[in-house]
Amino acid sequence: SAVISQKPSRDICQRGTSLTIQCQVDSQVTMMFWYRQQPGQSLTLIATANQGSEATYESGFVIDKFPISRPNLTFSTLTVSNMSPEDSSIYLCSVELHQSTGELFFGEGSRLTVL
Amino acid sequence: DAKTTQPPSMDCAEGRAANLPCNHSTISGNEYVYWYRQIHSQGPQYIIHGLKNNETNEMASLIITEDRKSSTLILPHATLRDTAVYYCIVRGSTSGTYKYIFGTGTRLKVLA
Repeated sequence: SAVISQKPSRDICQRGTSLTIQCQVDSQVTMMFWYRQQPGQSLTLIATANQGSEATYESGFVIDKFPISRPNLTFSTLTVSNMSPEDSSIYLCSVELHQSTGELFFGEGSRLTVL
Repeated sequence: DAKTTQPPSMDCAEGRAANLPCNHSTISGNEYVYWYRQIHSQGPQYIIHGLKNNETNEMASLIITEDRKSSTLILPHATLRDTAVYYCIVRGSTSGTYKYIFGTGTRLKVLA
């Protein structure tokens, strides 16, 4: 299994500011995923982040708004830029330990509220 | 990406089997079906996955139809702690990179 730590666990932010969410994994992983979960909704994949390459963004998400870093095999950051109240959500980091099993492990999420 | 369709909600009596259906009619031959659940305020938890054959583990059983267009997750003896949102996912692949697209899920409520 994998233990995933996300920081911050929650934050309240002002409109127009940016916030960086950190995701630390206790083992080396190739694939990391960032999801957004709005209140009462399912998870929406924002992007896939592989170490050493540019993140791959899903339709509706762009790098300028959600820049991602993946400096090594155990760490990633997601920045939510120029926030608006519509960005209020839970942001979840997840990893795939072994492609053969396809089991995803999730962090506990970062709950952002934008005023 | 193959899409999944699930009923939005279901109830199940405690101690009875919970059968959660999922349609994935656009699934392709090498795509796996995965099931996850999310208990309130927690990250999703892996339950089980399969390709063609039925699968069973300590948590649940997965029944996949022969044409692979639908599947059913079975919790054999549901408990109150199984109350959660259950997601059926088809793992897609783009240029050798997998991704997991969550559908709308089924909110299962286990009743005492």
